[in-house]
Amino acid sequence: EAQVTQNPRYLITVTGKKLTVTCSQNMNHEYMSWYRQDPGLGLRQIYYSMNVEVTDKGDVPEGYKVSRKEKRNFPLILESPSPNQTSLYFCASSQLAGGHTQYFGPGTRLTVL
Amino acid sequence: TQLLEQSPQFLSIQEGENLTVYCNSSSVFSSLQWYRQEPGEGPVLLVTVVTGGEVKKLKRLTFQFGDARKDSSLHITAAQPGDTGLYLCAGDGNTNAGKSTFGDGTTLTVKP
Repeated sequence: EAQVTQNPRYLITVTGKKLTVTCSQNMNHEYMSWYRQDPGLGLRQIYYSMNVEVTDKGDVPEGYKVSRKEKRNFPLILESPSPNQTSLYFCASSQLAGGHTQYFGPGTRLTVL
Repeated sequence: TQLLEQSPQFLSIQEGENLTVYCNSSSVFSSLQWYRQEPGEGPVLLVTVVTGGEVKKLKRLTFQFGDARKDSSLHITAAQPGDTGLYLCAGDGNTNAGKSTFGDGTTLTVKP
């Protein structure tokens, strides 16, 4: 089954404790992206990747890191999480960037205390 | 930064009524997409519009892309409770295909 998976689905952590949210897709998509969703703010793009080893900042990259060493995986790293990073995070992938259907993962709800 | 403004933010209607959701920007987009999101799930694509003035129909849903490719609308005819959800428009950057901008969303509730 074609899908985007994220782990963990739920995470409660404390300020400053490094964490990684994994994202994997099995559709051989070149483009992957991370978003955060907050009430009343819609989805805001954090980082995106056009292909392996090619990443770029979205609209809200501060406090986040990403890597794209393999085509299928695009982990989101929070080196020192802060409470303002409490949010619902979505990973998405598409065949290519620009107008192609983005397939979203189920989301990761992160709470930073 | 390109911005997309959706209106209304919230909409509560009775089954059988018609409704229109708007997505507006001062920027030109190379394409614009509409997604629907249900609680606890990620957004799912409904349609992509690419050409200015384009109209696409998906059963009771009609999507229109503005002539200048700066705005779009979603019209639902005879809404049903199953249409309840969060509707999001999203645009791809005209000069940077990797950038993706989403509107704030319209929460639609259709009461039986």
